[in-house]
Amino acid sequence: QKEVEQDPGPLSVPEGAIVSLNCTYSNSAFQYFMWYRQYSRKGPELLMYTYSSGNKEDGRFTAQVDKSSKYISLFIRDSQPSDSATYLCAMSKAAGNKLTFGGGTRVLVKP
Amino acid sequence: EADIYQTPRYLVIGTGKKITLECSQTMGHDKMYWYQQDPGMELHLIHYSYGVNSTEKGDLSSESTVSRIRTEHFPLTLESARPSHTSQYLCASSDLRTSGRETQYFGPGTRLLVL
Repeated sequence: QKEVEQDPGPLSVPEGAIVSLNCTYSNSAFQYFMWYRQYSRKGPELLMYTYSSGNKEDGRFTAQVDKSSKYISLFIRDSQPSDSATYLCAMSKAAGNKLTFGGGTRVLVKP
Repeated sequence: EADIYQTPRYLVIGTGKKITLECSQTMGHDKMYWYQQDPGMELHLIHYSYGVNSTEKGDLSSESTVSRIRTEHFPLTLESARPSHTSQYLCASSDLRTSGRETQYFGPGTRLLVL
């Protein structure tokens, strides 16, 4: 069983819709949670970084962490075609530790 | 924008050839990483380095080797390429001191096809 599970998609939404992405994990030692965006033929880029449980908002992006359920989410409001990409969750047990990635969810935002 | 570079971007090579994938960063980061990513699959850590002359194997077993002679340079070498090595290789770097948190910056990747 993988430590981090993520639905591969694709998730297709109309422009302006809310995109909802999530990951589940099995290891309760994970403390730091990240979301990366990866465009086709590019390397991943960090979108959101959160520590422990709670919410974090940055512009159109909101990240949520529920450690009791071992579940993290990313919401994208007012989605744009430029948001079409693969979104990867990642987590680590301590700051500076190696990251464990989910498999990524491919998102398509249609104009 | 992250200053981390990978060359070549694409490489098609025959079985048995020796190849070196280059990775350089100009941010002065201590930590560098190599990941392998197959299409639609998660990133698997194959090598990492926490500084000059420090290298460790990652979570995924790999026949490749790495070296870290200079802070900015972290090349990956395959002595004898095989079709099973066909994949995308991503290099990343990070510095906890600079960013205050573990932010890994990724290069654009090298897509390797071994025939």
